[in-house]
Amino acid sequence: GQNIDQPTEMTATEGAIVQINCTYQTSGFNGLFWYQQHAGEAPTFLSYNVLDGLEEKGRFSSFLSRSKGYSYLLLKELQMKDSASYLCAVTDSNYQLIWGAGTKLIIKP
Amino acid sequence: DGGITQSPKYLFRKEGQNVTLSCEQNLNHDAMYWYRQDPGQGLRLIYYSQIVNDFQKGDIAEGYSVSREKKESFPLTVTSAQKNPTAFYLCASRGLAGADTQYFGPGTRLTVL
Repeated sequence: GQNIDQPTEMTATEGAIVQINCTYQTSGFNGLFWYQQHAGEAPTFLSYNVLDGLEEKGRFSSFLSRSKGYSYLLLKELQMKDSASYLCAVTDSNYQLIWGAGTKLIIKP
Repeated sequence: DGGITQSPKYLFRKEGQNVTLSCEQNLNHDAMYWYRQDPGQGLRLIYYSQIVNDFQKGDIAEGYSVSREKKESFPLTVTSAQKNPTAFYLCASRGLAGADTQYFGPGTRLTVL
């Protein structure tokens, strides 16, 4: 079967750095997405990785290792507004998005 | 502005009534999706469509129905057969390439009384 695993919840301190991991087992791989979802709102796109390595976009970076079926989202200089759920999703061989359950990130002052 | 619209944002219905949630996109995307999200949970796929007049069941299609008569529109009907319809419903669309980002509408929060 297809499976995407993320930690359920993480806590970090304002101004610090946090890494949210995602491991996947899917039938084929055509890219990995990270989305941010604030409570009561729709998910919004953060990043896309299809090749191994690190993609940096401001305070957020995303890493992919296809051989390990592993990705992480790195958030630097955490701000209170970063409190949200972070969803990992993989495009499989049929170009369908398979979603993880999301990681709820709590930022403390 | 290009985007996806869903209406209404909040919807209340009595138990036993069918209700239709609208979803319209002007992004010229071929694929459209309906997800359900329960409190503290991830996204669960209800139905999806990759072309007009065709759609496929997702993981939790029972008690729901859809139509895709136009590329821009993908309405979802929550029928009385759906046992626990109260949830947050999200519509999304994307192109058909692997790298195409999926964009979401603002969602409809359905409460069945």
